[in-house]
Amino acid sequence: DAGVTQSPTHLIKTRGQQVTLRCSPKSGHDTVSWYQQALGQGPQFIFQYYEEEERQRGNFPDRFSGHQFPNYSSELNVNALLLGDSALYLCASSLVGGELFFGEGSRLTVL
Amino acid sequence: AQTVTQSQPEMSVQEAETVTLSCTYDTSENNYYLFWYKQPPSRQMILVIRQEAYKQQNATENRFSVNFQKAAKSFSLKISDSQLGDTAMYFCAFILPGTYKYIFGTGTRLKVLA
Repeated sequence: DAGVTQSPTHLIKTRGQQVTLRCSPKSGHDTVSWYQQALGQGPQFIFQYYEEEERQRGNFPDRFSGHQFPNYSSELNVNALLLGDSALYLCASSLVGGELFFGEGSRLTVL
Repeated sequence: AQTVTQSQPEMSVQEAETVTLSCTYDTSENNYYLFWYKQPPSRQMILVIRQEAYKQQNATENRFSVNFQKAAKSFSLKISDSQLGDTAMYFCAFILPGTYKYIFGTGTRLKVLA
């Protein structure tokens, strides 16, 4: 049973560029959440997707957007990258109201 | 607004010993859920233990147990018989029922020494 998979694992971008991160949820899960984990910090909630709709959003600017596909996989897009966007981006899947299962994350470095 | 505070950035413990990680939180709500997550160096976070605020009994999972003090808004994690594989970052987290946003503390880096 495959767990949560994320791609790419590492990537380097320059300021002003755009990035897309991808997440495949654990088999059977229909809900995907995205978190940003800056170095030395705890994860910060970006948003959650359920039934292809953004269900709740954290305190992140509109440069952060997402999408959920009919197969429940999800993408996180970040536009106009800033140095401060450098972080580990974690995807977590769950059933509605259930335990979060995390992927290993995508490490984004913005130069 | 809800907040979670972990005041111990780093801790170490000898193998087979017991260690307690601290967590405090702030909320005006009466019902909520609390969690401890473990993030090993491989980075994948896994759930260690959860506690429902309406349950007075402290949760236990094998070598892991919590001391939940609702009035004090304290939620500490005790690891008994520490093993080298327990070396990881440990995050305390909080969520309100009916919401989808987990609030995490800043973490405690635990190192188990051989």
